Amino acid sequence: DGGITQSPKYLFRKEGQNVTLSCEQNLNHDAMYWYRQDPGQGLRLIYYSQIVNDFQKGDIAEGYSVSREKKESFPLTVTSAQKNPTAFYLCASSISGASTDTQYFGPGTRLTVL
Amino acid sequence: AQTVTQSQPEMSVQEAETVTLSCTYDTSESDYYLFWYKQPPSRQMILVIRQEAYKQQNATENRFSVNFQKAAKSFSLKISDSQLGDAAMYFCAWVIQGAQKLVFGQGTRLTINP
Repeated sequence: DGGITQSPKYLFRKEGQNVTLSCEQNLNHDAMYWYRQDPGQGLRLIYYSQIVNDFQKGDIAEGYSVSREKKESFPLTVTSAQKNPTAFYLCASSISGASTDTQYFGPGTRLTVL
Repeated sequence: AQTVTQSQPEMSVQEAETVTLSCTYDTSESDYYLFWYKQPPSRQMILVIRQEAYKQQNATENRFSVNFQKAAKSFSLKISDSQLGDAAMYFCAWVIQGAQKLVFGQGTRLTINP
């Protein structure tokens, strides 16, 4: 089945630790995205990538880092510099990253800082 | 600022009836794309319907249709013959032509009463 997978589904982190969220897609999409969702708010863009080895900051990139070494994978690292990392994180992909493309979403990862 | 506003935090409807969810947006751009996404309890975002701003005809997908009023910057979603499986959070979103970032509203929680 083609789709986007995210792991783990639930993640717990102690303060001061870095954690990495996985996102993999087998849709052969060029573009991938990371969004953060907080209660009562819509999704906000953290980072996006339209091509391997290239990515751009979104609206709330501070405290996060990404890499895009393979077309299929776009991991997100939540660093200790992120002041309020508890949230639901959604990964998405689209065919080329053009604004005309529909973005398809993974099932998400719930991150909780203890 | 380019924003999306969903003024109804919660809505409820009887099964088999029709419900309309409101969305307004603020932009000076003329070329853009609008989307409604559904987020069921599983929390995976699912595309419901999309509309190109240059098209005058309102988009429809089975029981889902939109009322796109470009001059009023309004993009409402009508769900006909509501089903229990329609219960979810619904997010309105849009993207400017040439941009990669989806801008989301805060969401409307839809409850279907049997």
